[in-house]
Amino acid sequence: DIQMTQSPSSLSASVGDRVTITCQASQDISNYLNWYQQKPGKAPKLLIYDASNLETGVPSRFSGSGSGTDFTFTISSLQPEDIATYYCQQYDNLSISFGPGTKVDIK
Amino acid sequence: EVQLVESGGGLVQPGGSLRLSCAASGFTFSDHYMDWVRQAPGKGLEWVGRTRNKANSYTTEYAASVKGRFTISRDDSKNSLYLQMNSLKTEDTAVYYCARGGIWNPWAFDIWGQGTMVTVSS
Repeated sequence: DIQMTQSPSSLSASVGDRVTITCQASQDISNYLNWYQQKPGKAPKLLIYDASNLETGVPSRFSGSGSGTDFTFTISSLQPEDIATYYCQQYDNLSISFGPGTKVDIK
Repeated sequence: EVQLVESGGGLVQPGGSLRLSCAASGFTFSDHYMDWVRQAPGKGLEWVGRTRNKANSYTTEYAASVKGRFTISRDDSKNSLYLQMNSLKTEDTAVYYCARGGIWNPWAFDIWGQGTMVTVSS
């Protein structure tokens, strides 16, 4: 099974800061990686698919990059409504796994 | 409105069974892969399994942690997805979400239900 790691596990940043989260796969997954945002008590929301494609309706301050085993998720200018936990998710034809999550809050 | 609504959660004893349902509306259910994802209290997301669409023969895949105990099925005529859970363990306690695979990328979950809580406890 492919294992996913994320770092950091949590971070605090100021409004307007650039925030970067990394996700690493235990083996090459090409660009088969998605990113989700989950606010407390809510279902996750798809933000980025196939490593770098912005889901329709998602603000452009969110972006993703990477391929192979190393991926990056960026919030270019942190907003108060971005307080949430962010998960990466890898997939192949037979299984799916999520990273452990990164909790983002306001300093 | 595109929507998924789960039901059927509750309290069950270890070793017991429970069947969850997910009602879809606002989109062509039969076109999509459908998945179940769970989240234990205070923990991260765990993929449970999926059913592909008719075009892909309704084949299913399961996480190792539930294989042989859980069964995913669907009824396209009722726009419904199901999760039959048998031999439940305390570690199956979680919020269970149904999620829709995207039409262009079936592995990107673009619509989620609100979740239904399953508690396995004596």
